[in-house]
Amino acid sequence: QSALTQPASVSGSPGQSITISCTGTSSDVGRYNYVSWYQQHPGKAPKLMIYDVTKRPSGVSDRFSGSKSGNTASLTISGLQAEDEADYSCCSFTSSSTLVFGGGTKLTVL
Amino acid sequence: EVQLVQSGAEVKKPGESLKISCKDSGYRFTSTWIGWVRQMPGKGLEWMGIIYPGDSDARYSPSFQGHVTISADKSISTAYLQWSSLKASDTAMYYCARTKGTDAGPFDIWGQGTMVIVSS
Repeated sequence: QSALTQPASVSGSPGQSITISCTGTSSDVGRYNYVSWYQQHPGKAPKLMIYDVTKRPSGVSDRFSGSKSGNTASLTISGLQAEDEADYSCCSFTSSSTLVFGGGTKLTVL
Repeated sequence: EVQLVQSGAEVKKPGESLKISCKDSGYRFTSTWIGWVRQMPGKGLEWMGIIYPGDSDARYSPSFQGHVTISADKSISTAYLQWSSLKASDTAMYYCARTKGTDAGPFDIWGQGTMVIVSS
């Protein structure tokens, strides 16, 4: 199984909105609504930010939102803040009953 | 607060065996899935496999099948990741993570990570 495809990096200024894409296939992202997104700051463990494409865990800011169209899922962060600077990875369930991550995207807040 | 506590950092030589652990302090160990995730230095997250401690049903990524073994001891709420013969390319941070209840994820609770260094 191949990793999901994410842009290597994205950037935005404080207050702006950014979107990170996550492209898979009809056997993973396109087939199931089991896409999740993780935030990881340097030297820290990943943190769940979005699950089941659009759901937010308790405690996660509503500035974070998720969506999906076809084989591509997206994470949008609105009202960018300095603390949002981190690596973001998507993850999807697959038709082989396994999970697959994306390559990760480094978000820089300018 | 539910936590996953992983064993400490390891330094090993190529060809040596290793077993790292992940202890679940919660009460749902036998009714959820525990996964293992590799992160090589400066790289992204890679899903290695997952286990249901309730019946030890384990699944592996094709990339890791045959090279690692995932197991669990439900009597002590602990999951394991083991290698019989380490390679230098196994040098990485390894995270365990617990799902919200199904094998489809998501991973809502993560361990602190175990750094494994394999060097001659």
